[in-house]
Amino acid sequence: EPEVTQTPSHQVTQMGQEVILRCVPISNHLYFYWYRQILGQKVEFLVSFYNNEISEKSEIFDDQFSVERPDGSNFTLKIRSTKLEDSAMYFCASSAGTGYGYTFGSGTRLTVV
Amino acid sequence: KNEVEQSPQNLTAQEGEFITINCSYSVGISALHWLQQHPGGGIVSLFMLSSGKKKHGRLIATINIQEKHSSLHITASHPRDSAVYICAVRSTSGSRLTFGEGTQLTVNP
Repeated sequence: EPEVTQTPSHQVTQMGQEVILRCVPISNHLYFYWYRQILGQKVEFLVSFYNNEISEKSEIFDDQFSVERPDGSNFTLKIRSTKLEDSAMYFCASSAGTGYGYTFGSGTRLTVV
Repeated sequence: KNEVEQSPQNLTAQEGEFITINCSYSVGISALHWLQQHPGGGIVSLFMLSSGKKKHGRLIATINIQEKHSSLHITASHPRDSAVYICAVRSTSGSRLTFGEGTQLTVNP
């Protein structure tokens, strides 16, 4: 069964450093998403991406966040200057369309120290 | 008030019991999803519903659009069903999912 692949599975970074989280969505999917889950809290939407541009973003997704689909297969989330409160599990997801289900990656656990 | 409310927050059952997890939502939706999250953190999609009922193995999901309510049932529960079960909705105005807090299910042998 096709999978969404996320790398790395765990990243530790110092406060103020830039991090890039990587995702390879399912190849024929058109919609791509980033969600995050702070430990002990519910999953929260960050951003959706369709047709090579951001289609929707939450209030969490401020200027320190950016997304890219640089080469037609990878989908990246960049956090420019990490804060302690960015520590969370980040999930990538993809979907074939609005009438279809989602496939989630296994997540990247980001720890900011 | 959360847009998606789940109950109960925690549920402990004995192997073989019939389990029900409930989800209520307050917004107009185009679809409701039931997801499973294991201790390692990964999220697996179980069902996507826009009306009626769906069944997959021992899992059954129902939705009542008029009452803005959905239930996930597990028949003949097993310890391997132990996980967090999450309800999430996609509103009519976008493609993002809004998640509930999740229900921690523990099934004891």
